[in-house]
Amino acid sequence: GAGVSQSPSNKVTEKGKDVELRCDPISGHTALYWYRQSLGQGLEFLIYFQGNSAPDKSGLPSDRFSAERTGGSVSTLTIQRTQQEDSAVYLCASSLGLLETVDEQYFGPGTRLTVT
Amino acid sequence: AQSVAQPEDQVNVAEGNPLTVKCTYSVSGNPYLFWYVQYPNRGLQFLLKYITGDNLVKGSYGFEAEFNKSQTSFHLKKPSALVSDSALYFCAVRDGNGNNRLAFGKGNQVVVIP
Repeated sequence: GAGVSQSPSNKVTEKGKDVELRCDPISGHTALYWYRQSLGQGLEFLIYFQGNSAPDKSGLPSDRFSAERTGGSVSTLTIQRTQQEDSAVYLCASSLGLLETVDEQYFGPGTRLTVT
Repeated sequence: AQSVAQPEDQVNVAEGNPLTVKCTYSVSGNPYLFWYVQYPNRGLQFLLKYITGDNLVKGSYGFEAEFNKSQTSFHLKKPSALVSDSALYFCAVRDGNGNNRLAFGKGNQVVVIP
């Protein structure tokens, strides 16, 4: 079946502009995650959606970052007034989200964001 | 808060030799542990996980990992490395307190030398 898809694959933007990154999770997965991968920094958790529950936003680095998930499926990560330190690969992942199991997360290919 | 340490930046191994990638973790409660692999310009791929039960977990592509509670370690192993195993390997931990976020290590670059 289809995996997690993300768009665009690459995004170059000027400092101060807003950007939107999109994630389509695997069909039927109720949990969706956003991570950021910076060179030499590993993966940094950003935000987590589980069904209709309030999202866990505890990893968002500043109030310039926000995300929403419409209809329990597609998610959009928005970065306002981008800064050069926002340059990174943004990874989306989804999982079944079953409360009684510990299921693995499936990752998309990522969006490489470059802020000039 | 949970955390993962992968002490080596790069692991070099000759093809056919055993491969070990080290991981130690810190978490409150029971740990749930994962290994992922990332090939160039690709997303992360799940290799294996430990939840409970046998300390030796077998996963994809001939990889296995051993959970050691006393040493808080979850080292990844493969008996005979292939050139195609050259990639970036990430260890991750989730705590057992209902927090679903994963904490990842910085990753280990594995280079298998022909």
